[in-house]
Amino acid sequence: DQQVKQNSPSLSVQEGRISILNCDYTNSMFDYFLWYKKYPAEGPTFLISISSIKDKNEDGRFTVFLNKSAKHLSLHIVPSQPGDSAVYFCAASVASGAGSYQLTFGKGTKLSVIP
Amino acid sequence: DAMVIQNPRYQVTQFGKPVTLSCSQTLNHNVMYWYQQKSSQAPKLLFHYYDKDFNNEADTPDNFQSRRPNTSFCFLDIRSPGLGDAAMYLCATGEVRRANQPQHFGDGTRLSIL
Repeated sequence: DQQVKQNSPSLSVQEGRISILNCDYTNSMFDYFLWYKKYPAEGPTFLISISSIKDKNEDGRFTVFLNKSAKHLSLHIVPSQPGDSAVYFCAASVASGAGSYQLTFGKGTKLSVIP
Repeated sequence: DAMVIQNPRYQVTQFGKPVTLSCSQTLNHNVMYWYQQKSSQAPKLLFHYYDKDFNNEADTPDNFQSRRPNTSFCFLDIRSPGLGDAAMYLCATGEVRRANQPQHFGDGTRLSIL
């Protein structure tokens, strides 16, 4: 069963407008949430993260909101730019018993920003 | 630039013929991870090394093995690839006990099975 869900496989937004990507999770033990961005033929690159004890984290045009009671997070991109067109993965982190931490990923949302 | 490098980028092998994928890192991270990603699916963790300690995920098939001869290198061995093993394989590195520090990914190896 998927512990991290991104229910929208794709999203199209006009350049300059806001992009909102959503993510839901089921495991209340997750302690950090991360967003990764992936261009074709490249590996995922880290974008922004949020601790489970926070409800908002902002970095330039990117803001992540966490609603812990709803087990929901969202990534806002304002303003959207054509270079933001990529697949966005939501990931959740939990410490493993082995002393490291593990990520559980969603299936990703493909964002297309239309000039 | 410090980075995670995967070789080769594309690998074609025959059904049942062993194949090895390679990953190297210059980040000096304690932990190295291997993920499998099939088309339109989430990357799925296969196993990871914390220094020399190997940690297998419960549902990773026995067909998949890994070696980490030193801090910089990690290998994924598929002993008898089946058609269902065709996928993108991603290597990542991370720091121990640093949940707020992101994993760093290589660009992946796309494996095809004939």
